[in-house]
Amino acid sequence: DQQVKQNSPSLSVQEGRISILNCDYTNSMFDYFLWYKKYPAEGPTFLISISSIKDKNEDGRFTVFLNKSAKHLSLHIVPSQPGDSAVYFCAASPASNTGKLIFGQGTTLQVKP
Amino acid sequence: DAGVTQSPTHLIKTRGQQVTLRCSPKSGHDTVSWYQQALGQGPQFIFQYYEEEERQRGNFPDRFSGHQFPNYSSELNVNALLLGDSALYLCASSPLARQGYEQYFGPGTRLTVT
Repeated sequence: DQQVKQNSPSLSVQEGRISILNCDYTNSMFDYFLWYKKYPAEGPTFLISISSIKDKNEDGRFTVFLNKSAKHLSLHIVPSQPGDSAVYFCAASPASNTGKLIFGQGTTLQVKP
Repeated sequence: DAGVTQSPTHLIKTRGQQVTLRCSPKSGHDTVSWYQQALGQGPQFIFQYYEEEERQRGNFPDRFSGHQFPNYSSELNVNALLLGDSALYLCASSPLARQGYEQYFGPGTRLTVT
């Protein structure tokens, strides 16, 4: 039962353009969502998060949008840079705040110079 | 300020053997969670420790066990290894008050079972 899904295994964009990574979830009890970035041979690095009481959170070049009615969130990276090339995971936390993060399968982003 | 550290980096074991992986949390963090990441998948939650007790467990068999020490460091033990246990094992830490929110991950231990 995949409660968090990232349906695009990979994405390729040109440097300077916008990257949009998508994530869908099925459990309406999730109340906190996170994006992590992972480089090879490293652990996931926290990027940005959003609470279910908000629909947008912005941090520099990164913006996360949450559409609760559609159970969908997206990560926008503007402008994309070659150093952004990595695997991106979305994750969700249940409302009980139990410390269990549920991850999607990941999307590999390639930013071409 | 040291982040989350894990040892060893890589490990090769034979089916049926036992393995112990180690994790030191980020300074100031008292909660440690363990995840298994199979190739091409996202991390899967194994369990979480706080105050030396297992607080929550994911859908993993009893062959997977853990421990937390008074200095908050933690061990993950896997008995009777199966080929399917080959994966990247990630440790994550957080303060208890933020344990459902941002967790900080170590670089992982790559376990190969032959």
